[in-house]
Amino acid sequence: AQSVTQPDIHITVSEGASLELRCNYSYGATPYLFWYVQSPGQGLQLLLKYFSGDTLVQGIKGFEAEFKRSQSSFNLRKPSVHWSDAAEYFCAVGGLLSGTASKLTFGTGTRLQVTL
Amino acid sequence: DTAVSQTPKYLVTQMGNDKSIKCEQNLGHDTMYWYKQDSKKFLKIMFSYNNKELIINETVPNRFSPKSPDKAHLNLHINSLELGDSAVYFCASSQELMASYEQYFGPGTRLTVT
Repeated sequence: AQSVTQPDIHITVSEGASLELRCNYSYGATPYLFWYVQSPGQGLQLLLKYFSGDTLVQGIKGFEAEFKRSQSSFNLRKPSVHWSDAAEYFCAVGGLLSGTASKLTFGTGTRLQVTL
Repeated sequence: DTAVSQTPKYLVTQMGNDKSIKCEQNLGHDTMYWYKQDSKKFLKIMFSYNNKELIINETVPNRFSPKSPDKAHLNLHINSLELGDSAVYFCASSQELMASYEQYFGPGTRLTVT
C-alpha cells in the first residue's frame, strides 16, 4: 500500500528565509510524486511533480523538490519565502491503479505560516 | 476559463436531507475523481470515473452515489446526510492516456450538516 508522511504539521518562517518541507513516502515501485498547495478557502494547485529523470525538479512560484530514493523522500524547498506563500502544502504519491485511473495518496499536510 | 468547476461552493443542510454536488471539467480529461477533506485537512479519495465508468470506490457508504452523465461531468449525490458528512468535497480530473497522473482540482464544496 502506498503512503505519505509529512512529519511537520505546522512550520513558521520569516519572510525572506529559506524553507524546506519534508515528505517521506512508501510505494512498491517507482513512485510518481507531487507537491500541491492549498491557499485558505481554495482548491489544490499543483506546484511540481516527479516521474523520472533528474531528481531535482523545478516547479512554479520558485519552488523545487529533490527526490532521494535511498531516503524515500521528496522534500520541497524554496530559497526565499514570500508572505503570499502562507498556505497548506500537501505531498502526494501516485501510481497507476488500473489501465485507466491513477490513485493519489496524500500526506496530512504542512501548514506554512510566514511572519513579516 | 475555469478548468474544473464545482457547484455549489457552500452547502448547508440538515441531517436526513438528500443533496447533490456538481462537477464539470473543460480540460478534455477522461478521468474524474471525488475527494473528501475532513476538518483536519486530510484528503481521501472517494471515487474515480473513467469515461463514465466507475474505476475506484474507496469503501464509501452507499449513501454516496456518484453519477457521470458524460466524461466531462461527475456529480455526487448524498442521501440521508449525517453530521459526519460535513467536510470539503473536491472534484478532480486527469488525463490518464498521457500517463501523467497529475490531477487538477476544483475549488471545493464546503458541506455543513446541522
